[in-house]
Amino acid sequence: EAGVAQSPRYKIIEKRQSVAFWCNPISGHATLYWYQQILGQGPKLLIQFQNNGVVDDSQLPKDRFSAERLKGVDSTLKIQPAKLEDSAVYLCASSLAYGTGFYEQYFGPGTRLTVT
Amino acid sequence: ILNVEQSPQSLHVQEGDSTNFTCSFPSSNFYALHWYRWETAKSPEALFVMTLNGDEKKKGRISATLNTKEGYSYLYIKGSQPEDSATYLCAFISVGGNQFYFGTGTSLTVIP
Repeated sequence: EAGVAQSPRYKIIEKRQSVAFWCNPISGHATLYWYQQILGQGPKLLIQFQNNGVVDDSQLPKDRFSAERLKGVDSTLKIQPAKLEDSAVYLCASSLAYGTGFYEQYFGPGTRLTVT
Repeated sequence: ILNVEQSPQSLHVQEGDSTNFTCSFPSSNFYALHWYRWETAKSPEALFVMTLNGDEKKKGRISATLNTKEGYSYLYIKGSQPEDSATYLCAFISVGGNQFYFGTGTSLTVIP
């Protein structure tokens, strides 16, 4: 089966610019996650979707970050405007079901964002 | 936000050595623990999903144990090979099963 796809793989922008990341999860996976991984830290959950509804966005900086999952499939994560501290790897993951930690997550290759 | 700690932060071993590292997590409200391997320039991939106290899982030369009462899990690699070089992440899931709390990872380098 095809894995989780993400694009772009790398992005360099200046602070105050906008950027968008795209994710296509594994077909049939109901749950989609966006993580931010800053160098030296573990991945931090930004937002979690169940189909096309948001189930957890408690750690999403909503003043500058937004995300959507149209039709419960693809998802985009946007940062507007970017700050230096947003430099990180943004990982998208999907899993088969919601509300159970028994299902492993399948990760995409990530997008490495550098804000200068 | 729950605290999940991994140690050591990094590790260098010679090819053929066996090694192990630790994931520590809150001992209350345990639901599941996941281990992932993340090789450079690749996607993190799941190694184990552990749910029961005393669980022991094995995949080839890699195995993991789980102690939910004291809040730790060990990952063992027997006879390390250069292809085992990666960052190993653990993720704790509390009762409710919604959110994964990742540790900071252990970076393993196996020297040929």
